[in-house]
Amino acid sequence: ETGVTQTPRHLVMGMTNKKSLKCEQHLGHNAMYWYKQSAKKPLELMFVYSLEERVENNSVPSRFSPECPNSSHLFLHLHTLQPEDSALYLCASSQGSGDYNEQFFGPGTRLTVL
Amino acid sequence: GQNIDQPTEMTATEGAIVQINCTYQTSGFNGLFWYQQHAGEAPTFLSYNVLDGLEEKGRFSSFLSRSKGYSYLLLKELQMKDSASYLCAVMDSNYQLIWGAGTKLIIKP
Repeated sequence: ETGVTQTPRHLVMGMTNKKSLKCEQHLGHNAMYWYKQSAKKPLELMFVYSLEERVENNSVPSRFSPECPNSSHLFLHLHTLQPEDSALYLCASSQGSGDYNEQFFGPGTRLTVL
Repeated sequence: GQNIDQPTEMTATEGAIVQINCTYQTSGFNGLFWYQQHAGEAPTFLSYNVLDGLEEKGRFSSFLSRSKGYSYLLLKELQMKDSASYLCAVMDSNYQLIWGAGTKLIIKP
């Protein structure tokens, strides 16, 4: 248990579906992250929220839409995904987003797009 | 561009010692992290180096040479539970973590 939870743990969706991934951290952190992890590839940072400011990776397609209603919750809204979006989506949190910031990860959502 | 290199896979024997290397080329340097990730689980923090030298933490040690853009993770007295992927990540000048693809470590009896 790292103090970061993610739901659902597994998700199978069609390309026309709309779904959302949820992340919650119980650590009092003020920065949260979404990562994509594909087999044998480095973790890809998708989005960062720090004190309600969003830092976005320019290469993230618009079919991924993040939402951070407060410092404890982070969502990733998915729509019209492609099969190549199938991956493990990891959420993480840290005390800050600058300087030393050990990140605590959730267990991930295994997403399969059919 | 920014790049982190580490071996894809390594095999070692229970009770032995293994060294996992990581080389990096990044725009700026604000520290290097090692994480452990068991299959199907979250990555968990192992170590952080920002100054040159060796940091020892129990059976695990991590070394950094900033001039060489090089780090290694040393695991001693290997146990079967050490079978996992080990991820190297460097914090760049923008305080973003740049990740390697991970090294899958297989421990054999």
